[in-house]
Amino acid sequence: DIVMTQSPDSLAVSLGERATINCKSSQSVLYSSNNKNYLAWYQQKPGQPPKLLIYWASTRESGVPDRFSGSGSGTDFTLTISSLQAEDVAVYYCQQYYSTHSATFGGGTKVEIK
Amino acid sequence: QVQLVQSGAEVKKPGASVKVSCKASGYTFTSYGISWVRQAPGQGLEWMGWISAYNGNTNYAQKLQGRVTMTTDTSTSTAYMELRSLRSDDTAVYYCARDRRKYYDILTGSTSFDYWGQGTLVTVSS
Repeated sequence: DIVMTQSPDSLAVSLGERATINCKSSQSVLYSSNNKNYLAWYQQKPGQPPKLLIYWASTRESGVPDRFSGSGSGTDFTLTISSLQAEDVAVYYCQQYYSTHSATFGGGTKVEIK
Repeated sequence: QVQLVQSGAEVKKPGASVKVSCKASGYTFTSYGISWVRQAPGQGLEWMGWISAYNGNTNYAQKLQGRVTMTTDTSTSTAYMELRSLRSDDTAVYYCARDRRKYYDILTGSTSFDYWGQGTLVTVSS
């Protein structure tokens, strides 16, 4: 199974500042046949289900603010919130979907306001 | 609009079984697969398995093999997840989630999940 490791476990960022979350996979999630990274990012607020933010490592889901961006390839990925807003306080998860009809999630990163 | 509406909270004793439903609306049910994901209290997300609503094919997480069964009823656009031989560490919120891509578009790997149910709390306690 592909293991997803996120860092840090939590971070506190001032309003308007940048937040950066890292995700590392135990093997590459890049398919050479289509040159796509099978990596997604989700946001989960307390008492709510996860919300899809980013797929294909860097494609924003419809309606997601452009302050959220994803980058990386192969085994190392980053979610960046360019200017943290109060409503961005949440736990963020990465997910690999490289394996056929299977998925694994990272352990999550909690983002708070400093 | 796409909606996934799950059944209500359950309290079960160790060794019992639970069956959670996920009723879909707002899209062609058979065009998308459904995954089940659970979240223990204060913990992260754990993928449990996937079912094709098109042909009923399944793929389960290895740690749950033999205890979990996922099914669909296409006549009612409903997916089900049954977990047997419940233990205290099965206490969690259980979510259903829809594949972001249609089944015939998934030629390699899998997909992310674009719509989620509201979650069903299953408590296992003696």
